[in-house]
Amino acid sequence: GAVVSQHPSWVICKSGTSVKIECRSLDFQATTMFWYRQFPKQSLMLMATSNEGSKATYEQGVEKDKFLINHASLTLSTLTVTSAHPEDSSFYICSARGPSTEQYFGPGTRLTVT
Amino acid sequence: GQNIDQPTEMTATEGAIVQINCTYQTSGFNGLFWYQQHAGEAPTFLSYNVLDGLEEKGRFSSFLSRSKGYSYLLLKELQMKDSASYLCAIPSGDKIIFGKGTRLHILP
Repeated sequence: GAVVSQHPSWVICKSGTSVKIECRSLDFQATTMFWYRQFPKQSLMLMATSNEGSKATYEQGVEKDKFLINHASLTLSTLTVTSAHPEDSSFYICSARGPSTEQYFGPGTRLTVT
Repeated sequence: GQNIDQPTEMTATEGAIVQINCTYQTSGFNGLFWYQQHAGEAPTFLSYNVLDGLEEKGRFSSFLSRSKGYSYLLLKELQMKDSASYLCAIPSGDKIIFGKGTRLHILP
């Protein structure tokens, strides 16, 4: 089956620093990848849709200058949380759209900002 | 727009059967997903229904009624490892819109 990886699986950073999270589709090409955020005991919230070779489409209320998304190739999308603050601490999950409608999720990245 | 409604929490006993309901409203229907998510992990795909009726996959079955905007996930012979959140989701263009999820607690 389709496999999506994320790196790192967890990261702790200091307030004010930037953190980059990678999302890779390992055995298929994904023209579209998605970034979600999930706070404890809450549902997945879509942050942005990332299309290879073009600018990401952000959901309402998500700051594009704070959450930088780059989809440089058909197998890699990155999310950079700039000037991170404690309230950005969350579980960040990416997914990649395969040949059909289904999306394949990465294992997630737990970000803790101290 | 889209709207998905499912119960917040449910409790069931090991070995029993549980049905998790989902109602939805969408302007253009392109199927309905069920995902399982264990705490601290990403969602894993369970089922995708496009046509009306029941689809069985081992201990898990999913039902869809497009005319009623209704789906349910049926879990049989519950095991402790089935304790998780179950997310109902519908495609919307390129995106998938998720419900808030139903947290299922299994009692021994």
